[in-house]
Amino acid sequence: GNSVTQMEGPVTLSEEAFLTINCTYTATGYPSLFWYVQYPGEGLQLLLKATKADDKGSNKGFEATYRKETTSFHLEKGSVQVSDSAVYFCALSGRNDYKLSFGAGTTVTVRA
Amino acid sequence: GAGVSQSPSNKVTEKGKDVELRCDPISGHTALYWYRQSLGQGLEFLIYFQGNSAPDKSGLPSDRFSAERTGGSVSTLTIQRTQQEDSAVYLCASSLGGPRGRGYEQYFGPGTRLTVT
Repeated sequence: GNSVTQMEGPVTLSEEAFLTINCTYTATGYPSLFWYVQYPGEGLQLLLKATKADDKGSNKGFEATYRKETTSFHLEKGSVQVSDSAVYFCALSGRNDYKLSFGAGTTVTVRA
Repeated sequence: GAGVSQSPSNKVTEKGKDVELRCDPISGHTALYWYRQSLGQGLEFLIYFQGNSAPDKSGLPSDRFSAERTGGSVSTLTIQRTQQEDSAVYLCASSLGGPRGRGYEQYFGPGTRLTVT
């Protein structure tokens, strides 16, 4: 079945540091890949997505590239801010599927 | 526009009681999903509705769990004879439909935090 493995947290960074959260997946065919973010006290929001190999999703300074050869979708941001403190979830939906399979989530805390 | 809304936001119930959780999807979204977020299990899919098609109930953890969607809009998730392990945040999401709904963004509600004592 489909599954997502993402880097365990928690991750604590200083402002303006570089952030990477690793995500790898197992799926048949060509899934769609997503990063969702959950800010403190808020609901899940889509951060970015990619629906085919080599696509790059980007939003709010975050980027992730769909790498079929390594079955990965790592999230990166070059200079984090305190407001980026949140829980980040990598997720996929299968080629012939619609439900999302989520990773365990990575808690990121950015210190001023 | 209005997002996905859920009620109640918090629910505390005694073990053995039944509970109903409500979800109002975004207007025009034909697909509706329920997920559960718990410390031990992370985010898990529960059930999916798409238009008038039979729902995909493959994620429901036991027959104590059921859900319905009336008029293609509002959905209710019912948990009968609640157990302590049912304590979790129950999330509802909706999206545009279409062929398998692949790649469509799912918009999540704020969740209902259920605590079974």
